[in-house]
Order: sequence, then structure tokens, then C-alpha cells
Amino acid sequence: NAGVTQTPKFQVLKTGQSMTLQCAQDMNHNSMYWYRQDPGMGLRLIYYSASEGTTDKGEVPNGYNVSRLNKREFSLRLESAAPSQTSVYFCASSEGGIDNQPQHFGDGTRLSIL
Amino acid sequence: AQTVTQSQPEMSVQEAETVTLSCTYDTSESDYYLFWYKQPPSRQMILVIRQEAYKQQNATENRFSVNFQKAAKSFSLKISDSQLGDAAMYFCAYRRVSGNTPLVFGKGTRLSVIA
Repeated sequence: NAGVTQTPKFQVLKTGQSMTLQCAQDMNHNSMYWYRQDPGMGLRLIYYSASEGTTDKGEVPNGYNVSRLNKREFSLRLESAAPSQTSVYFCASSEGGIDNQPQHFGDGTRLSIL
Repeated sequence: AQTVTQSQPEMSVQEAETVTLSCTYDTSESDYYLFWYKQPPSRQMILVIRQEAYKQQNATENRFSVNFQKAAKSFSLKISDSQLGDAAMYFCAYRRVSGNTPLVFGKGTRLSVIA
């Protein structure tokens, strides 16, 4: 079972470059999420998609855009990367509509911006 | 807005002993869900245990159990018979019951297990 797959696992960018982080899940989940994890900050929600065709801002959306391409895929784009966006990014998915179901996480993308 | 507070940035426990990780949350909702996630050095996020607020009985999963005190808005995690593999970051998380709302995470507690 692949679960939630994120690509790439590591990336180094220069300030001002753009990049798209890819996420795909094979569990037929309705809801998908993007988090960033910084030391001492826990996980903070960037954007989420409650269902195919919808996206909503989370706690820290500035500097990011998302696309829910289809039910399986939810991408995160950095249009003009900044050093403050250096972080570990996690994609997650959940059944949606069944509130006590846990989120399933990908393995993360470690992104460094120089 | 809901907030989740983990007041212990780091904890340690001797192997085979018991440790309790604290979590408090703030909400005006009467029904919601609470979770504990484990993040080992591999960075995976693994669900440890969940609790529905409408249930009075504390959830238990093998060596992991919670002490859910709804009035106090407290949700602590107890790990019994600690093992070296329990060493990880532990995150407490909250989720409202209404729509597909995301989780709100605490900042985490780093647990070390001493052999």
C-alpha cells in the first residue's frame, strides 16, 4: 500500500525560483492537506482541500498556491521561493465526512531555500 | 480559534517505565475529536490514539492510553512499559466535528527513552 506519496523528498532552491511539490494518495480519500513543519512550531496548515474541486486557506497560506488536480492529487506551488519557506512539508489525506478518522501523512519533503 | 498546547518540549523515561505527556486545548465546541500522533526520526506521522469528546471512557491502544478530562480540557497520553522504539516527537491534535475541518496541532513533545 503506497498511501500518501510526496515528491520530491529533498530539494534545494535559490531565492526567487518557483517549484511545485506533488502529492498523491491511493486511498480514495476526499480530503487532502498541506502542512509545513518548522523546529519548535509543530505542524501548521498551509492549505487544505475538503473535497475534489475545493480548496481553503489554512493558518499560513501566504506565498503558496495549491491545485486539487483530481481526487488523488493535491499540489503545492511556491511561485517565488523565499528563505522563510525553508521547511519540511507534509501532505496528508483523510476520509473526510467521517470526523474521527485520522489523517494519513506522506513522508515529507525537505525544502531548503538559499 | 482552537488552540492546542503541549507544555513539555522534552521528556525522558527509562526503558520499561511509564511516562505521561501533557496536552491542553482551548475550544468553545462541545463535541470534537482529539488525537495523538507520533513522529519518529524517519519523519513519518503515525496515529497513536484517538478520542471522541462525547465518549467518557478513556481510549486505550495496547501500551498507550489517554486521560481525557473534558471539563479541564486536558488530554494526556500515558505510555506504559516504555520501549526504545517509543522515542519520537509526539503531537497532540484537535479536530472540530463539523465538515471536513483540518487538525490543529500542538508544538510537540520530544520523548527520549533511556536504556
